[in-house]
Amino acid sequence: EPEVTQTPSHQVTQMGQEVILRCVPISNHLYFYWYRQILGQKVEFLVSFYNNEISEKSEIFDDQFSVERPDGSNFTLKIRSTKLEDSAMYFCASTMGLRGDTQYFGPGTRLTVL
Amino acid sequence: AQSVTQPDIHITVSEGASLELRCNYSYGATPYLFWYVQSPGQGLQLLLKYFSGDTLVQGIKGFEAEFKRSQSSFNLRKPSVHWSDAAEYFCAVGARSGGYQKVTFGTGTKLQVIP
Repeated sequence: EPEVTQTPSHQVTQMGQEVILRCVPISNHLYFYWYRQILGQKVEFLVSFYNNEISEKSEIFDDQFSVERPDGSNFTLKIRSTKLEDSAMYFCASTMGLRGDTQYFGPGTRLTVL
Repeated sequence: AQSVTQPDIHITVSEGASLELRCNYSYGATPYLFWYVQSPGQGLQLLLKYFSGDTLVQGIKGFEAEFKRSQSSFNLRKPSVHWSDAAEYFCAVGARSGGYQKVTFGTGTKLQVIP
């Protein structure tokens, strides 16, 4: 069964550094998403992306965040200058965009900001 | 805006006992509803979903859920719990806008299974 993949599985960075989290969505999917889960809390929507544009973003997704689909397969989340509170598990997801389809989630990248 | 409430933060059941995890949602139209399971340190695995049709949906691992529009609920059930079911369970509602779908999660219910 096709699956969403994410790399790295764990990223440790110093506060103020830039990080790029990578995702490879399912190949025929058209809509891409990032979610975040701070340890012990619920999964929160960050951003959705379609046709090389952001469709919707949450209030969490401020100017420090950006997303990109640099080629036909990857979907990236960049955090420009990481803060301690950015430490979380980041999940990528994708859908085809059809009625009733399922949002498939990747295994997540655990980001630790020191 | 849509929202999901999972009133039980933590549930403990004995292995072999039945299980029901509660979920209430708020959404203006007919929702897409999901249950995901997350084992410690792992990603989110879809157990089942509802978007139309039969209100009783069957999922993987012997789970089922029933959509009750009148109660705005989508409770997850399993007749006999196994120790491997210990995990955190998230109910979620999907709001559809055009082709894309934004999923809002509940706060989760941690399931502990005792021998």
